[in-house]
Amino acid sequence: GNSVTQMEGPVTLSEEAFLTINCTYTATGYPSLFWYVQYPGEGLQLLLKATKADDKGSNKGFEATYRKETTSFHLEKGSVQVSDSAVYFCALIPPSGGSYIPTFGRGTSLIVHP
Amino acid sequence: DGGITQSPKYLFRKEGQNVTLSCEQNLNHDAMYWYRQDPGQGLRLIYYSQIVNDFQKGDIAEGYSVSREKKESFPLTVTSAQKNPTAFYLCASSIAGGQDTQYFGPGTRLTVL
Repeated sequence: GNSVTQMEGPVTLSEEAFLTINCTYTATGYPSLFWYVQYPGEGLQLLLKATKADDKGSNKGFEATYRKETTSFHLEKGSVQVSDSAVYFCALIPPSGGSYIPTFGRGTSLIVHP
Repeated sequence: DGGITQSPKYLFRKEGQNVTLSCEQNLNHDAMYWYRQDPGQGLRLIYYSQIVNDFQKGDIAEGYSVSREKKESFPLTVTSAQKNPTAFYLCASSIAGGQDTQYFGPGTRLTVL
């Protein structure tokens, strides 16, 4: 079956540090890949996505590249801010032939200190 | 503005009572979903619906029920059969039939007293 594995958190950084949150997946074919962000007490919001191999999704300084050869979609940001503190979820939606039900990772908590 | 609303934000229930969580969307999406979120466990799918008057069980449907009588509404009932219902519940919607983004509501936190 499909699965998404994220690095364990929490990830604790100082403001302006470089961020990487690892995400690897298992799926047949070419799934679409997503990063969602959840701020405390709120629902999830789409951060970025990529739909085919070598695509780079980007938004608000965050980037992730769809790597088919390593089945990865790592999230990066060059300089984090306190306001980036949240939980980040990696997710995939399988390609055609199924019900297009997403599979989510367990989430990685990011804490950014001033 | 288009979006998804969930109500109430906080809900308290006594053991043995059924409770219904509301989810409404005005995005004209065909597909709607209910997830349960517990600390450290990510999101688990309870039920989903890809068209009006049809829905399917997700991974943890036991103790829950849903209806989809209108395109914009997908209420979730937590029944007394659900052994551990205290959790954060999230509703989402998407354009059905493709690898599309899900849009989430703000969630309802249910506490059983």
